[in-house]
Amino acid sequence: KNQVEQSPQSLIILEGKNCTLQCNYTVSPFSNLRWYKQDTGRGPVSLTIMTFSENTKSNGRYTATLDADTKQSSLHITASQLSDSASYICVVSDRGSTLGRLYFGRGTQLTVWP
Amino acid sequence: EADIYQTPRYLVIGTGKKITLECSQTMGHDKMYWYQQDPGMELHLIHYSYGVNSTEKGDLSSESTVSRIRTEHFPLTLESARPSHTSQYLCASSEGQARSYEQYFGPGTRLTVT
Repeated sequence: KNQVEQSPQSLIILEGKNCTLQCNYTVSPFSNLRWYKQDTGRGPVSLTIMTFSENTKSNGRYTATLDADTKQSSLHITASQLSDSASYICVVSDRGSTLGRLYFGRGTQLTVWP
Repeated sequence: EADIYQTPRYLVIGTGKKITLECSQTMGHDKMYWYQQDPGMELHLIHYSYGVNSTEKGDLSSESTVSRIRTEHFPLTLESARPSHTSQYLCASSEGQARSYEQYFGPGTRLTVT
């Protein structure tokens, strides 16, 4: 069964600290992996997209890694800011269907305290 | 910020009422999607469209219906709202297949049925 599991479910850190969010998936055949940021009451906004051949990609203070062999990804946030408080969603797409099905994780709820 | 809009942003309505959630995008995207998201849970695809006059049901069974008469417009209708329809509804669009192209999300409509 194709699934995307994220950990931790929630995380609280102090402003200025770093953190790492984890994503494990069983989606096959794999097409790409995306990380989205979703502010409360808003739609998700894309942070990074990685294909099979990419093992790291950065977007400002956000750095995503991908290990396609172990089917794991991480999102590292450097020097956190209050505005980083949001849900971070890992999304994996497959190559097997015409639509290109997206599988969503439940997200990690990050809270940054001053 | 993506050019995809949803109205209303919040809606509280009584059981049995007919409602239409509006979604429009100005990017000229052929592919459009409706997702349902409950708090702390993953997004579930309920409808999608490949283009004008094309509509398909998604992975999660839904009593709602959609139409695609114009490229930019993808409304979702509930003929008779029930408390079980209480949820957040997110509209999205992409230039091409979901697996290969960025999906842009609207801000969502939070529906409460009393």
